[in-house]
Formats: sequence, C-alpha cells, structure tokens
Amino acid sequence: GENVEQHPSTLSVQEGDSAVIKCTYSDSASNYFPWYKQELGKRPQLIIDIRSNVGEKKDQRIAVTLNKTAKHFSLHITETQPEDSAVYFCAASRYTGNQFYFGTGTSLTVIP
Amino acid sequence: GAVVSQHPSRVICKSGTSVKIECRSLDFQATTMFWYRQFPKQSLMLMATSNEGSKATYEQGVEKDKFLINHASLTLSTLTVTSAHPEDSSFYICSARRGTELNSPLHFGNGTRLTVT
Repeated sequence: GENVEQHPSTLSVQEGDSAVIKCTYSDSASNYFPWYKQELGKRPQLIIDIRSNVGEKKDQRIAVTLNKTAKHFSLHITETQPEDSAVYFCAASRYTGNQFYFGTGTSLTVIP
Repeated sequence: GAVVSQHPSRVICKSGTSVKIECRSLDFQATTMFWYRQFPKQSLMLMATSNEGSKATYEQGVEKDKFLINHASLTLSTLTVTSAHPEDSSFYICSARRGTELNSPLHFGNGTRLTVT
C-alpha cells in the first residue's frame, strides 16, 4: 500500500516569513495530492491540490510543487500570518484505489 | 462547495452503551464515504470505507463488530460504536467524495468527539 511521510512535525516561523512542508510517497501509481488545513477541534479543510500531470500550482500565498520522479511534493506558504497557524496534512491517492493516505501532519505556528 | 454534515458533534456515553454517528452528504451523492479516527495531535487514521448498498471495507486492526457501518443511501452513512469503552474515546470524522468525480478531494464532516465514561 501507499506510505506517506511528512516533515517536519512542528514548524515555527515569524510572521511574514515563508513556511515549507514536505511529503514523500511510495506508490508510483498515486496521481492526486491534496493538502488539508485543520484548526484545533475542527474539520480538515482542503487548501490546495495538485494532480500528477502538473509540476506546480499556486493560489495566492499558497503553492504546491510535485516531483514525480523523486516521489515528493511540498507545500509553500509565503508571507505567513498568525491565522495560518494550524495543523497541515498532505495526502496521496490514486484514481483506481479511491483511498486517501495521509501524512502524519505538521503543526505550524506563526509568531506575530 | 460540497458539504458533509456529521452528527452529533459531541457525545458522552457510559461504558457498555452504543453510540451512533451520522454522516450526510448534503449537496451531492456519495457512493463511498470514509470514516477516520483521530487521536489528539495525531494524523487521520482510516478506519473503514463505507460503500453504498454493500458491506464496508475495514482497515487492518479495526474490529468490524465493534464499529458497525451502514451506508443505506447515497447521502447517508452511519458509524455505530457498540459496547463502548473508555479507550474508544476519540475524535471520529467522516468524509466523502462526489459520486463520479475522478481524483476529487475529500470533503470532511465536522467530526464527533466521543467520550466514554
């Protein structure tokens, strides 16, 4: 089955700085990679996703990059703000499998 | 956007009793729903995949008889924790994908905080 690893587990940055979270996956058949943000006690919310036919996707301050050869993908948050503080999860799935495999999560703290 | 509703949001029950959690897709049909369990400060652990009109598929280590899943319609899946014990206390979250979309994201319910006393 798929194995998704996520690093770092915790990350603290100063407001305005950038934050980068990295994930690796093992199943070369995985072709869809969403990122979720979960605030304390709330549901995970999709913030950005990328499909295997794309190498990079950007949405305002958030970007995701994918390296299929190396089987890793990363989340980049620029100009961080205190409200970006949350736990972020990466995930991998493939169409034929219909299952999502989540990383272990990264607790991001943005220091004002 | 897709909305998944989960009830109740919190439940406290006595040891030995059963608790039912409902997960509804409000604006789309979901042939497949997923049930996750999340411990404090940990990731989402897939418990089972709920399939409309057929038996659920359970992940290794998850007791079928303890966590009963029923997916009776395209918009409703239920998880029943039977004979609950304190170690079952956790945050349970359901999720769903739109019925026919390929590589579509998961949409999560708000979760249910179960406390077994």
